[in-house]
Amino acid sequence: QKEVEQNSGPLSVPEGAIASLNCTYSDRGSQSFFWYRQYSGKSPELIMFIYSNGDKEDGRFTAQLNKASQYVSLLIRDSQPSDSATYLCAVSNTGKLIFGQGTTLQVKP
Amino acid sequence: DAMVIQNPRYQVTQFGKPVTLSCSQTLNHNVMYWYQQKSSQAPKLLFHYYDKDFNNEADTPDNFQSRRPNTSFCFLDIRSPGLGDAAMYLCATQSYNEQFFGPGTRLTVL
Repeated sequence: QKEVEQNSGPLSVPEGAIASLNCTYSDRGSQSFFWYRQYSGKSPELIMFIYSNGDKEDGRFTAQLNKASQYVSLLIRDSQPSDSATYLCAVSNTGKLIFGQGTTLQVKP
Repeated sequence: DAMVIQNPRYQVTQFGKPVTLSCSQTLNHNVMYWYQQKSSQAPKLLFHYYDKDFNNEADTPDNFQSRRPNTSFCFLDIRSPGLGDAAMYLCATQSYNEQFFGPGTRLTVL
């Protein structure tokens, strides 16, 4: 079993819709959870982090964490074509990040 | 404005010819990381430093070495690159729990 699992996609949504990206992790001791956006050929860019159960909102992005279910998600409201990228979920226990393989999001105009 | 800088951005080498990738940071962060990322895969941690304390991941091949002469600079040496080492190499620094990535070096092995 992979330590951090994501559906590789692609996830295709129309412009203006809500995109929902999901991630599960295996280490119950994980304490910090991150979402990175990676455009093709570029390096990962941090867009959200969450440490506590519940929701955290930042602009059009909402991160949701459920430690009991070992599940973290990212919602993107009012999706734009510029949101088309690979979204990497990363989990940390010791400071080092364990990445999932990413979900490719395609936002169609 | 660049905070984590990697040079070169693109590197072409021949099979078996040593290559060095460099990373510098203006953030004065103690922790630095080197990752390897192949197409459609997750970044894979190769090494990390806490100050000058070097930590090698168990599955990092011996072919990969690293040096950190001071806080600002970190180098990745690949002693004898093979075709399977072609990848994007990412350097990152860390403050508290947040990691900041450089733009990466794309390595091609001919």
